[in-house]
Amino acid sequence: ETGVTQSPTHLIKTRGQQVTLRCSSQSGHNTVSWYQQALGQGPQFIFQYYREEENGRGNFPPRFSGLQFPNYSSELNVNALELDDSALYLCASTSTRQEETQYFGPGTRLLVL
Amino acid sequence: SQQGEEDPQALSIQEGENATMNCSYKTSINNLQWYRQNSGRGLVHLILIRSNEREKHSGRLRVTLDTSKKSSSLLITASRAADTASYFCATINAGGTSYGKLTFGQGTILTVHP
Repeated sequence: ETGVTQSPTHLIKTRGQQVTLRCSSQSGHNTVSWYQQALGQGPQFIFQYYREEENGRGNFPPRFSGLQFPNYSSELNVNALELDDSALYLCASTSTRQEETQYFGPGTRLLVL
Repeated sequence: SQQGEEDPQALSIQEGENATMNCSYKTSINNLQWYRQNSGRGLVHLILIRSNEREKHSGRLRVTLDTSKKSSSLLITASRAADTASYFCATINAGGTSYGKLTFGQGTILTVHP
């Protein structure tokens, strides 16, 4: 167990809708990263939040946005869902920006129809 | 984009045999990590090797790193059915403040038959 939880476990949405995914990190972990993993692929970095501010972003459009809260929880929001957004979304946390090992949650599987 | 290739894409062995997976990457790195993923769930960190290290051991795991060839290998000795999972290499690129930005390979699916 990594101490990182995510909700919901599974989600089905239709194209054009908006979705919010949630992650709860270990106490004391002030850095959270989000990854998208398409079926059969490795995870791809979406963005990282450190102390409630975005601290780096991968090649994802602005309709992917996030929030981090002081209670070690965070959100990933995706607007105007597209079919290709169907994937497993993983959050990972660390206690500091310098820590190199990521502690992953179990993921949220999103299906866009 | 993916960092590089993992080889093989799938590996099927008998319990007790050794399993070797290879990973190649494209850019200069600070470190390379191996993660395990069971049935499309969360990833579990296995081992980290820094760019100035050549070999590292952890239990039944042995990792090598060749920065001149930009490649790494993961060896699992005396495999067990419980080792069945997908294995990913991931790198943190050199320079900048990309501490949290892991760049993953496409993974190797390992099946260990009892």
